[in-house]
Amino acid sequence: GAVVSQHPSWVICKSGTSVKIECRSLDFQATTMFWYRQFPKQSLMLMATSNEGSKATYEQGVEKDKFLINHASLTLSTLTVTSAHPEDSSFYICSAEPETANNQPQHFGDGTRLSIL
Amino acid sequence: AQSVTQPDIHITVSEGASLELRCNYSYGATPYLFWYVQSPGQGLQLLLKYFSGDTLVQGIKGFEAEFKRSQSSFNLRKPSVHWSDAAEYFCAVMGFQKLVFGTGTRLLVSP
Repeated sequence: GAVVSQHPSWVICKSGTSVKIECRSLDFQATTMFWYRQFPKQSLMLMATSNEGSKATYEQGVEKDKFLINHASLTLSTLTVTSAHPEDSSFYICSAEPETANNQPQHFGDGTRLSIL
Repeated sequence: AQSVTQPDIHITVSEGASLELRCNYSYGATPYLFWYVQSPGQGLQLLLKYFSGDTLVQGIKGFEAEFKRSQSSFNLRKPSVHWSDAAEYFCAVMGFQKLVFGTGTRLLVSP
């Protein structure tokens, strides 16, 4: 089945540093990947839609300069949290949509727990 | 804009008992509907989806869901719950190429 790998699964870093999270589709190509943020005991909130070869589309209220998204290939999207602060601590989940057909289910990574000290 | 309501924050079911998790959606056109399950600290796994056709859809792990347009509902059911089913369950609707999730229902399974 379709597999999405997310790395790292857990990261702790100091305030002010930048953190990069990778999202890879292992056995399919994905022109579109999505980045979500999930606060404890809450639902997933879409942050941005990552399109291969073009700029990401950010949801309202998401700072594009804070959350940099790069989708350089059909199997890799990265999210960089720049100058991270404690309020950026959260669970970040990516998903990928196979390019073969529209409205196919998104396949999710296992998430990255980010803790900023 | 589309939205999803899961009215039950948490539900406790005895092992072996039947389960129904409620989901109501709001969307102007024919919805694409999904149920996902999330174990603690992990990503989401797709249980089942509805795009069109038969309104009763079968999923993995013995789950099924019924789409009822008149009630704008897509409730998830399982006839006999296992302890391993304890997790968070999210209903979602796809609209304008975006997934919108409900707030989730945490399922607790008692012995």
